[in-house]
Amino acid sequence: GNSVTQMEGPVTLSEEAFLTINCTYTATGYPSLFWYVQYPGEGLQLLLKATKADDKGSNKGFEATYRKETTSFHLEKGSVQVSDSAVYFCAHSYGGSQGNLIFGKGTKLSVKP
Amino acid sequence: SAVISQKPSRDICQRGTSLTIQCQVDSQVTMMFWYRQQPGQSLTLIATANQGSEATYESGFVIDKFPISRPNLTFSTLTVSNMSPEDSSIYLCSVTALTNEKLFFGSGTQLSVL
Repeated sequence: GNSVTQMEGPVTLSEEAFLTINCTYTATGYPSLFWYVQYPGEGLQLLLKATKADDKGSNKGFEATYRKETTSFHLEKGSVQVSDSAVYFCAHSYGGSQGNLIFGKGTKLSVKP
Repeated sequence: SAVISQKPSRDICQRGTSLTIQCQVDSQVTMMFWYRQQPGQSLTLIATANQGSEATYESGFVIDKFPISRPNLTFSTLTVSNMSPEDSSIYLCSVTALTNEKLFFGSGTQLSVL
């Protein structure tokens, strides 16, 4: 069946450290892949997405590449800031609609100054 | 973008009662969805709210427990019926804009059932 597995948190980093949050998925067909972010006290918002194999989504210094051969969509950032502290959710679409999403459990990131 | 207002933001309810959650969007949208996020779990799609017709429910969710209305393109309600403590969750309204490129989320309703 469809599923998303992402690394368990919480992840605690110092400012300017390199960030990787692993995400792998199981899906039929060719889903779109997403990273959503939830900042403290705010709703979920789309961070980046990729719609086909080898696409790279990027936003706010974050990147993730759609790797079909490894069914992965790892999130990376070269230098994190305190303001990046949030919960990050990996997700994939199903059923042909970008509104039908399967989410991972979320990874909480805390960045210390 | 779409701005979503969801009410109430939180509530504490007694077992056996029902709660209706409202979702209002500031612009016409194509699709409206209701998600649930149980404590420590990922978000799970409950149903797609269809304008003028019955909602489309995902496996494990039924209309009697989660009746949904969508009378127009910008408004939807989700009712959590005959609540039990297992229904304690965050319930999220989400929408896709007319271009169907992005999924926007409301800030959620934190429901606690005693």
